[in-house]
Amino acid sequence: KNEVEQSPQNLTAQEGEFITINCSYSVGISALHWLQQHPGGGIVSLFMLSSGKKKHGRLIATINIQEKHSSLHITASHPRDSAVYICAVGETSGSRLTFGEGTQLTVNP
Amino acid sequence: GAGVSQTPSNKVTEKGKYVELRCDPISGHTALYWYRQSLGQGPEFLIYFQGTGAADDSGLPNDRFFAVRPEGSVSTLKIQRTERGDSAVYLCASSLIGGPPFNEQFFGPGTRLTVL
Repeated sequence: KNEVEQSPQNLTAQEGEFITINCSYSVGISALHWLQQHPGGGIVSLFMLSSGKKKHGRLIATINIQEKHSSLHITASHPRDSAVYICAVGETSGSRLTFGEGTQLTVNP
Repeated sequence: GAGVSQTPSNKVTEKGKYVELRCDPISGHTALYWYRQSLGQGPEFLIYFQGTGAADDSGLPNDRFFAVRPEGSVSTLKIQRTERGDSAVYLCASSLIGGPPFNEQFFGPGTRLTVL
């Protein structure tokens, strides 16, 4: 069992739909990161959070420390949101990030 | 205001050859990380530098892999006797500080290594 698990692995949506990507982890963490990776490999950090909720434009990230679970929501999805979304955790015992396998999101016009 | 840069962007080599991959972190970032990403997978940790020293190299897969950061800025990941299984995208990231409480990591565009 991976330390960081994401669901779904693949997600196809129509433009305008509300999207949720889930992340569960099994280790103690100091922070959880949501990252976006476009074709060609570039990774952009979307959120870093250790509690509660953060919002940035149409993106919302929540985390429940007790349940070891985080969600990334995209409101009013757009084709340009199509990318791989990766959840990563920073463990309390070290400095490395441990990554989920990513969720491939495709938003069709 | 440059971000993290990596060179080369693509590297094709033959099995058994030696390769060097370079990472230029954001100026002033003391922490530097190397990750490796195979096709369809999330990145995997290789090594973490705090300043000039490797604070955690437990992710290096074997002794063919080595990384240096002699002046605490630019880092080079070195792979000896490359194997086809080394083919992947090698990602570098930097952060202002390393270790908990975690600082945001900024990623470079990666180097795509192909071993024929």
